[in-house]
Amino acid sequence: DIQMTQSPSSLSASVGDRVTITCRASQGISNYLAWYRQKPGKSPELLIFDTYKLQSGVPSRFSGTGYGTDFTLTISGLQPEDVAIYYCQKYDSAPLSFGGGTKVEIK
Amino acid sequence: QVHLVQSAAGVKKPGDSVKVSCEASGYTFNKYGINWVRQAPGQGLEWMGWISGYNYNTNYAQKFQGRVTMTMDTSTRTAYMDFRGLRSDDTAIYYCARGGGAVPTVMSDYWGQGTPITVSS
Repeated sequence: DIQMTQSPSSLSASVGDRVTITCRASQGISNYLAWYRQKPGKSPELLIFDTYKLQSGVPSRFSGTGYGTDFTLTISGLQPEDVAIYYCQKYDSAPLSFGGGTKVEIK
Repeated sequence: QVHLVQSAAGVKKPGDSVKVSCEASGYTFNKYGINWVRQAPGQGLEWMGWISGYNYNTNYAQKFQGRVTMTMDTSTRTAYMDFRGLRSDDTAIYYCARGGGAVPTVMSDYWGQGTPITVSS
């Protein structure tokens, strides 16, 4: 099975900072990569799919890039409401594995 | 508006079975499938499997093969996840999420509120 590895596992940044999270697949997954945000005590919510496409209603400060094995999620201008754990997920083939998550906090 | 409403929390004993339900509204039910994802306390997300709303095909993660059964009732627009032989390390929040209709290879765009299941003697 393909493994998904996220880095860093946690980060602390100031409001307004640019934040980048990386997700690496152990084998190529084309562009079948989604990013989710899980706020404390809430269900996950879809942010980005097909590597870079923003889900409806998601602020434009979120963006995604990558292809094959290496992917990034960027938050351009961190906001207090972005405090959450972010997960990547592959969906090129089953099993639809998730990365281990990246916890984002405000400094 | 798409909504997925899950059954209430439960407490089970080791060896028990649990059946979690997920009632869907706001979309054409048989055009999408349902993924089941769990999250142990303080841990990340774990995909358990998928069921097609189109033809009821299933795809289970190997880890759960033999213990999980996913079904759908089109008449009530409800998906079910039946999980047997519960152990203490199955204590988790179980989520349903809308996914691919005919194939599992689609992202999950809407999620239920989660069903906490505690397994304890």
